[in-house]
Amino acid sequence: ETLLTQSPGTLSLSPGERVTLSCRASQSVSSSSLAWYQQKPGQAPRLLIYGASSRATGIPDRFSGSGSGTAFTLTISRLEPEDFAVYFCQQYATSPPTFGPGTKVDLK
Amino acid sequence: QVQLQESGPGLVKPSETLSLSCTVSGGSVSGHYWSWIRQAPEKGLEWIGYRYYSGTTNYNPSLKSRVTISLDTSKNQFSLKLKSVTAADTAVYYCARGFPGYYDSSASFWVEYFQDWGQGTLVTVSS
Repeated sequence: ETLLTQSPGTLSLSPGERVTLSCRASQSVSSSSLAWYQQKPGQAPRLLIYGASSRATGIPDRFSGSGSGTAFTLTISRLEPEDFAVYFCQQYATSPPTFGPGTKVDLK
Repeated sequence: QVQLQESGPGLVKPSETLSLSCTVSGGSVSGHYWSWIRQAPEKGLEWIGYRYYSGTTNYNPSLKSRVTISLDTSKNQFSLKLKSVTAADTAVYYCARGFPGYYDSSASFWVEYFQDWGQGTLVTVSS
């Protein structure tokens, strides 16, 4: 099973700031088979990024993903009020698919 | 846009079987991968398994001995059965439509990411 770690655990930021979230895998993730999700309290996760860098339908371009191998990054170029949430990464290169523990982005 | 809605008991007794259904609207259950994912309180996300419309199933090894996912094309639904539950199975259960993103040749399964999710349903295991 591929284990994912995310850092930091929590980020306290202000609207307008740039956000960089990290996701590391315990083994290389083939073909950049990595996705990012956003989850708000009481809601299901929402797919943001797949294939490490492809935005899902309807996702604003302030969200971008990058990385390969074992190190991946989600960047929010300019934090909007609705972006305060928990962000999970997920690998789908090996079965079973696994999720990281999440990074919480909260209001400073 | 596909919409998914979970249904089933919110309380299950220890050692009994958890049974949930997911109704799909705005699309057919034929031709896609249908998954269950759970999230224990204040914990992360755990994939339970999927069923492909052709009949192929893939379950998380950690739950494989207790899980069955089935499809009912006449009702446009799929369902989850998890037997012999304990308090550790208390979680929000999500149904989701998966997209086969990569073929894991060592396991001989497609592995998915998840575009469409249900709103989730809390299942508590308690006597």
